[in-house]
Amino acid sequence: GAVVSQHPSRVICKSGTSVKIECRSLDFQATTMFWYRQFPKQSLMLMATSNEGSKATYEQGVEKDKFLINHASLTLSTLTVTSAHPEDSSFYICSAIRGPSHNEQFFGPGTRLTVL
Amino acid sequence: QQQVKQSPQSLIVQKGGISIINCAYENTAFDYFPWYQQFPGKGPALLIAIRPDVSEKKEGRFTISFNKSAKQFSLHIMDSQPGDSATYFCAATYTGNQFYFGTGTSLTVIP
Repeated sequence: GAVVSQHPSRVICKSGTSVKIECRSLDFQATTMFWYRQFPKQSLMLMATSNEGSKATYEQGVEKDKFLINHASLTLSTLTVTSAHPEDSSFYICSAIRGPSHNEQFFGPGTRLTVL
Repeated sequence: QQQVKQSPQSLIVQKGGISIINCAYENTAFDYFPWYQQFPGKGPALLIAIRPDVSEKKEGRFTISFNKSAKQFSLHIMDSQPGDSATYFCAATYTGNQFYFGTGTSLTVIP
């Protein structure tokens, strides 16, 4: 299977600071990357869809000014949580689609964000 | 509206038994149905997937059964092992633009 890395795996920050999470597809080019948020014992909640070279598409209810997404290349997307608050504490997971002829979605290992 | 409905929410199976997780969907445009396995604190991993032109796909101990007319698909884990204890998510998509996930099934395999 394809490999998607995510960095950092764990981050603890103070309220009001910004945190950047990187998502990389290591052995394939990803035309599309997704960012998810997952609460304990719940399913994945799609936050935004990121396409290389274009603006991300955010799901309803997700603040685009708070969760900045940049898809700089076919192998890298970043999520920046700006002015983080304790309620932003969560498990953030990225995924990459191996395309364009495939529908296969490969997930990163996730980032545990804790905002104090 | 839940595009993909998954059951059961939790499942306990004896070692060596068969684990069965079911999913149902509404949108007939879906053309790709993957299953993901997730261990605590980790990202989901693609386990097995099927397209609607086949009724069954088997990979090792894992089998997907697909019923297009009933709009249902299921995951069967044969000879379940304690190492299979995880949360399983079904999903559906068309064109890969967005994936719709089930609510997850927490599987516990008892030794």
